[in-house]
Amino acid sequence: DAGVIQSPRHEVTEMGQEVTLRCKPISGHDYLFWYRQTMMRGLELLIYFNNNVPIDDSGMPEDRFSAKMPNASFSTLKIQPSEPRDSAVYFCASSFAVQGKVPYEQYFGPGTRLTVT
Amino acid sequence: DAKTTQPTSMDCAEGRAANLPCNHSTISGNEYVYWYRQIHSQGPQYIIHGLKNNETNEMASLIITEDRKSSTLILPHATLRDTAVYYCIVRAPDSNYQLIWGAGTKLIIKP
Repeated sequence: DAGVIQSPRHEVTEMGQEVTLRCKPISGHDYLFWYRQTMMRGLELLIYFNNNVPIDDSGMPEDRFSAKMPNASFSTLKIQPSEPRDSAVYFCASSFAVQGKVPYEQYFGPGTRLTVT
Repeated sequence: DAKTTQPTSMDCAEGRAANLPCNHSTISGNEYVYWYRQIHSQGPQYIIHGLKNNETNEMASLIITEDRKSSTLILPHATLRDTAVYYCIVRAPDSNYQLIWGAGTKLIIKP
């Protein structure tokens, strides 16, 4: 398996522009997570999905952030409008639950490094 | 979820065992201990998890004290590629799926 795929790997944009980050989870996984990592705040969970349905978006910082999962193999995280303080590495992770049990292991993608100037 | 305390950084000689401690003195009876690591410029990678008993897999061993207030991750024969930030996380199986990430331990393997 190719693992979790994220694109783009690097994104540089100007303040006010729309940014869309993409994620393809591992086939067969039913949980998908979006994280943000900065030096100041570390790794933070933004939102997670179960079977394509958003379950907890309490970590989404503002209304400027939105996430969708139209099908089991694709998810997007959109920032509109972007601001310099959104500069961070954004990770997507996926996992699966065995017989309804809590998934222990999350598989992370390589991340998207976003720079907003 | 219980908070964890880890040393900020540690060094270890290549080929030696690396022992990474973690304190979780407020852990509840149903909370598991997880270990992840993050190699520079990569996403975090799951290593191992446990509840009460010691656990071992192809990557590492996890030793949990009898009172469960602390644990140690052991990399038996550290290599340069094990240089990374190691995160200790505790979470209950019936909680949401959020992993509370602390600052972790920066482990540097020296030749």
